[in-house]
Amino acid sequence: EDQVTQSPEALRLQEGESSSLNCSYTVSGLRGLFWYRQDPGKGPEFLFTLYSAGEEKEKERLKATLTKKESFLHITAPKPEDSATYLCAVQAGNDYKLSFGAGTTVTVRA
Amino acid sequence: DGGITQSPKYLFRKEGQNVTLSCEQNLNHDAMYWYRQDPGQGLRLIYYSQIVNDFQKGDIAEGYSVSREKKESFPLTVTSAQKNPTAFYLCASSIRIGNQPQHFGDGTRLSIL
Repeated sequence: EDQVTQSPEALRLQEGESSSLNCSYTVSGLRGLFWYRQDPGKGPEFLFTLYSAGEEKEKERLKATLTKKESFLHITAPKPEDSATYLCAVQAGNDYKLSFGAGTTVTVRA
Repeated sequence: DGGITQSPKYLFRKEGQNVTLSCEQNLNHDAMYWYRQDPGQGLRLIYYSQIVNDFQKGDIAEGYSVSREKKESFPLTVTSAQKNPTAFYLCASSIRIGNQPQHFGDGTRLSIL
């Protein structure tokens, strides 16, 4: 069974304090790894897709990287508006479905 | 603007009552999905639909039912058989089944009276 584990569960940062979130996965034949941002009471908003080890994607203060066993979401010099829950999901093999991790809740204090 | 609209935002269910959650999309997507989100857990797939008049059970379909009579609409009914319905329900769509990314609505929070 596909497994996706995100760590830490929660992360409290000072504004400007860079950090990384981890998403480790156990799947057969990764087809894609996806990062989403979710604000309280809202639906997830798509951020990135990564397809193969070594791939990197960037958007503003966020950078996602992928290895054969895990992905990292790096937040550089975060601002309070980066506070959200970040979700990781994988699609593997011939499966159409996404398997989601439980998320990392990031709080950035001014 | 294209997107997914879920309604209502909050819903309360009485004992023994069926309730229906609405999901409408104007993205012209063929595939639609329903997920359940509980604290501390990843999103879990309830039902999905590849095309009009077709739908399949996901991982946790018991106590739920759906219909797909129009491309734009994929309503979810939470029946009285679902004994633990309190959760945040999310509807999503994608161009075709298995195509990513999935785009999400802003959810319906269901609580028990």
